[in-house]
Amino acid sequence: ETGVTQTPRHLVMGMTNKKSLKCEQHLGHNAMYWYKQSAKKPLELMFVYSLEERVENNSVPSRFSPECPNSSHLFLHLHTLQPEDSALYLCASSFGLADNEQFFGPGTRLTVL
Amino acid sequence: GENVEQHPSTLSVQEGDSAVIKCTYSDSASNYFPWYKQELGKGPQLIIDIRSNVGEKKDQRIAVTLNKTAKHFSLHITETQPEDSAVYFCAASISDYKLSFGAGTTVTVRA
Repeated sequence: ETGVTQTPRHLVMGMTNKKSLKCEQHLGHNAMYWYKQSAKKPLELMFVYSLEERVENNSVPSRFSPECPNSSHLFLHLHTLQPEDSALYLCASSFGLADNEQFFGPGTRLTVL
Repeated sequence: GENVEQHPSTLSVQEGDSAVIKCTYSDSASNYFPWYKQELGKGPQLIIDIRSNVGEKKDQRIAVTLNKTAKHFSLHITETQPEDSAVYFCAASISDYKLSFGAGTTVTVRA
């Protein structure tokens, strides 16, 4: 276990649904990240939070809405997604933005019908 | 931005043999190069990293080499074992948290 947990592990949703992904880290880290992992593609950085403030929004469509209520929790709210949004969504954390080493959770496998 | 290319995309080796994965990067300002291992159903896990002021680093059966002039770095796994079967990702970073990843190499170790 890396100290980063994600729920749910699997999610199937329709294009009109609203759902949320949750990430929790037990490492005392101050920075948290959302990545999208599609088959045979490099990991894509979506959002970065440091001390609950968003510092990076990597041109992500507004149908993805992140929330970081405290340094241990990170959410990704989903609404009106498209089938091409189906992917593995990974959460990661690091001690700080200056700390390169990122610890990843197991991911949420999302399928959009 | 930084572009990282990784080869091969798949690699099958006999148990006990060595495995080598190569990555190239585009931005000469990159200074941090981690390698991640992702097992089925899990997230990527850092296995080794190297910084631009070092040419080689070893940790038991794994080693990473960096050639800054040619802008490429490699992962070497010796005496491969079945538990080495996984997807391996290289990455490069210009600064802090922004990691640019390769597309991954699926390594299969045949018993």
